[in-house]
Amino acid sequence: DAKTTQPNSMESNEEEPVHLPCNHSTISGTDYIHWYRQLPSQGPEYVIHGLTSNVNNRMASLAIAEDRKSSTLILHRATLRDAAVYYCILRHPRNTGNQFYFGTGTSLTVIP
Amino acid sequence: EPEVTQTPSHQVTQMGQEVILRCVPISNHLYFYWYRQILGQKVEFLVSFYNNEISEKSEIFDDQFSVERPDGSNFTLKIRSTKLEDSAMYFCASSGGTSQYNEQFFGPGTRLTVL
Repeated sequence: DAKTTQPNSMESNEEEPVHLPCNHSTISGTDYIHWYRQLPSQGPEYVIHGLTSNVNNRMASLAIAEDRKSSTLILHRATLRDAAVYYCILRHPRNTGNQFYFGTGTSLTVIP
Repeated sequence: EPEVTQTPSHQVTQMGQEVILRCVPISNHLYFYWYRQILGQKVEFLVSFYNNEISEKSEIFDDQFSVERPDGSNFTLKIRSTKLEDSAMYFCASSGGTSQYNEQFFGPGTRLTVL
């Protein structure tokens, strides 16, 4: 699966929007972009995914660059509960086992 | 909301002993996974399982590891002879399909401590 690059850490004030960037310059045309997060002492949980178009769900929005070489996860109003490690992961159709390969992610700190 | 459950939450064992970690995936899911996370490190894929056989495994998943779906609800990971370096958090996950967009649902994990 293609590699992604994320900042190691970011900070945000509570109730402000957060933009978490991810670079994936070697993405192929059929790779889906997935975002998961891991709250402290918990298993990863799904946040959002997309292919080409921007996506919204109840948790977040995903903005995908036109050339698909980067994407941004947007939390519209950060809460203390959003403090977690956020992982941007690409999944390729050749990935026969359907597994995810996690990187080191971005550790988000939310300041009250 | 359906969830993946794992037991025990914490397992302490002596080096060389066998351990079995148990998982109950979401009931209508057909695809199952084990991942592990050594303290302070990233989540690592171990194995994926479908239709009673392994679909894919990583190089971590050597002959000391095995997986089984002994009945219609449980999915287990066995480590035959534990080593100190097997100490980690082990996460089970399940998904309803294998399309690229299928999300995986992770359990809360079992912390394995090998002494």
